[in-house]
Amino acid sequence: AQSVAQPEDQVNVAEGNPLTVKCTYSVSGNPYLFWYVQYPNRGLQFLLKYITGDNLVKGSYGFEAEFNKSQTSFHLKKPSALVSDSALYFCAVRDVGDDKIIFGKGTRLHILP
Amino acid sequence: GAVVSQHPSWVICKSGTSVKIECRSLDFQATTMFWYRQFPKQSLMLMATSNEGSKATYEQGVEKDKFLINHASLTLSTLTVTSAHPEDSSFYICSATSRAIADTQYFGPGTRLTVL
Repeated sequence: AQSVAQPEDQVNVAEGNPLTVKCTYSVSGNPYLFWYVQYPNRGLQFLLKYITGDNLVKGSYGFEAEFNKSQTSFHLKKPSALVSDSALYFCAVRDVGDDKIIFGKGTRLHILP
Repeated sequence: GAVVSQHPSWVICKSGTSVKIECRSLDFQATTMFWYRQFPKQSLMLMATSNEGSKATYEQGVEKDKFLINHASLTLSTLTVTSAHPEDSSFYICSATSRAIADTQYFGPGTRLTVL
């Protein structure tokens, strides 16, 4: 069965500093990996995904993520954080051939001005 | 592109009544729609998967007679919470996907249900 772990409940970063939000996964086959962001009382917004190809995936709002097969990780990164990046971030995984995606528990990102 | 809407954005109802929530894909045809429930400060819990024209597949522990799902067209799915009780109060979120959008799920803005 597939699973995804986000080990940090909260990450605090000063504005302008680089940020990393961690995610590790477990699937039986090749994974589809996703990052979503959720602002208060809103649905989820798609940021980026990895299906195949280049391990470094670039997405919306300057975010990127690196697929690392040996470490089964898909950490979300941004070179310079903005206060407006403060939100709840979800990593998700989908096994090939399965419609469902499994979400991590979420990491709350606080960007300090 | 890939916009999903939900209606209503919030609803308050009395215990024992039924509430219908609509999920629409606005700029693509969604072969599959998903319904999630989110409790405060928690992750999303998948309730059911619905494919257009067929019965929904419910996750373990989700009562299909309580949460009725209809996916009558490629752009509309509805979730009806029947005989709602206060413990059904939650944030309900739908998502939609299709092969045309590379199987990525796009989410609606959510519906806040409060049952008094």
